[in-house]
Amino acid sequence: DSGVTQTPKHLITATGQRVTLRCSPRSGDLSVYWYQQSLDQGLQFLIQYYNGEERAKGNILERFSAQQFPDLHSELNLSSLELGDSALYFCASSAGTPGNTIYFGEGSWLTVV
Amino acid sequence: AQSVTQLDSQVPVFEEAPVELRCNYSSSVSVYLFWYVQYPNQGLQLLLKYLSGSTLVKGINGFEAEFNKSQTSFHLRKPSVHISDTAEYFCAVTDNQGGKLIFGQGTELSVKP
Repeated sequence: DSGVTQTPKHLITATGQRVTLRCSPRSGDLSVYWYQQSLDQGLQFLIQYYNGEERAKGNILERFSAQQFPDLHSELNLSSLELGDSALYFCASSAGTPGNTIYFGEGSWLTVV
Repeated sequence: AQSVTQLDSQVPVFEEAPVELRCNYSSSVSVYLFWYVQYPNQGLQLLLKYLSGSTLVKGINGFEAEFNKSQTSFHLRKPSVHISDTAEYFCAVTDNQGGKLIFGQGTELSVKP
């Protein structure tokens, strides 16, 4: 158990819909990361937050947004969903200093039908 | 920008044989290097990491990796594999700035009896 909790574990939704994925980081970790894993794209970095502020942005689509709340949990919002958004979405956390171990949750499986 | 290339997408090997999973990275700045393992239907787990110091890094489950700056490589090795080592292995790099991980495409290790 990494200590990173993600909900829901599985989600099936229709094209055009909007979903929210939730992440609770390890106790004490200030930084949260979101990754997308798909067969064709591999593990893609989406976005990083540190203590409530956006720190780094990857190939995150404009239809996607994220935030980190004062209690340090984070949410990833995916809207106007397309079939190609079907993937495993990972949340990870760390203390936030480069070189710190980044701990991953078990992921949220999103299927868009 | 950093990038990672894992030279083998699949590596089949017999139980108790040695294995090497190859990883090359590209970066214009100093990097930190990581190997993660993903078992089926699970999140990513850190095997080992290189930050500085000795170029030979030992990790969990009997794995080790050697950092070679001149060849920009960070190959993962195990002298004798077990069936339970069957999993996907990811090499990753991060710089000393933001801390996000950039992953390679993964290597599927399949250990056969």
